[in-house]
Amino acid sequence: KNEVEQSPQNLTAQEGEFITINCSYSVGISALHWLQQHPGGGIVSLFMLSSGKKKHGRLIATINIQEKHSSLHITASHPRDSAVYICAVRDFGNEKLTFGTGTRLTIIP
Amino acid sequence: DADVTQTPRNRITKTGKRIMLECSQTKGHDRMYWYRQDPGLGLRLIYYSFDVKDINKGEISDGYSVSRQAQAKFSLSLESAIPNQTALYFCATSDPGQLQPQHFGDGTRLSIL
Repeated sequence: KNEVEQSPQNLTAQEGEFITINCSYSVGISALHWLQQHPGGGIVSLFMLSSGKKKHGRLIATINIQEKHSSLHITASHPRDSAVYICAVRDFGNEKLTFGTGTRLTIIP
Repeated sequence: DADVTQTPRNRITKTGKRIMLECSQTKGHDRMYWYRQDPGLGLRLIYYSFDVKDINKGEISDGYSVSRQAQAKFSLSLESAIPNQTALYFCATSDPGQLQPQHFGDGTRLSIL
């Protein structure tokens, strides 16, 4: 079973700062999923990636398959980015996901 | 309207009661999933279904059952609720394929007293 670790567990930053959230996993995967959980509890899919880099607005996700590591970056952070960010991995030949425990991000105005 | 709708959003009930959580989707996805989320733990898979006639146990299926009534509907039942089933429950859907993301409902917060 894949082990997924996220760091940091909690992160507080000032508005405008560049944010990096990390995810590492123990066994090779076919894809990695970044999700955002709002304070109200709802979960939104941000990225699904298997290699390289994806960008959407101020969010950038990268993955290094050899190092079994992914990062989620937020540029020009804003208080509305405050949420829990969750990493999940999909093993080869298996459509089920294994989830990390999340990184709680708080952006202070 | 939300693509993946869970009802109820909140439920408080007593030990021993039977509870049903419902999930419906308008995305046309074949795959549907039920997860639970507990503080400090990642989401854990309870049951999943790849089509109407397909039901599979996840990693924590004991004490739960499911029904896939139609492509769009997937219900989770707790036959006799116990306090350690207090959690946030999520339904999710996806298309088949390794690069297909899962789409989540807003969750059901369940408290068992």
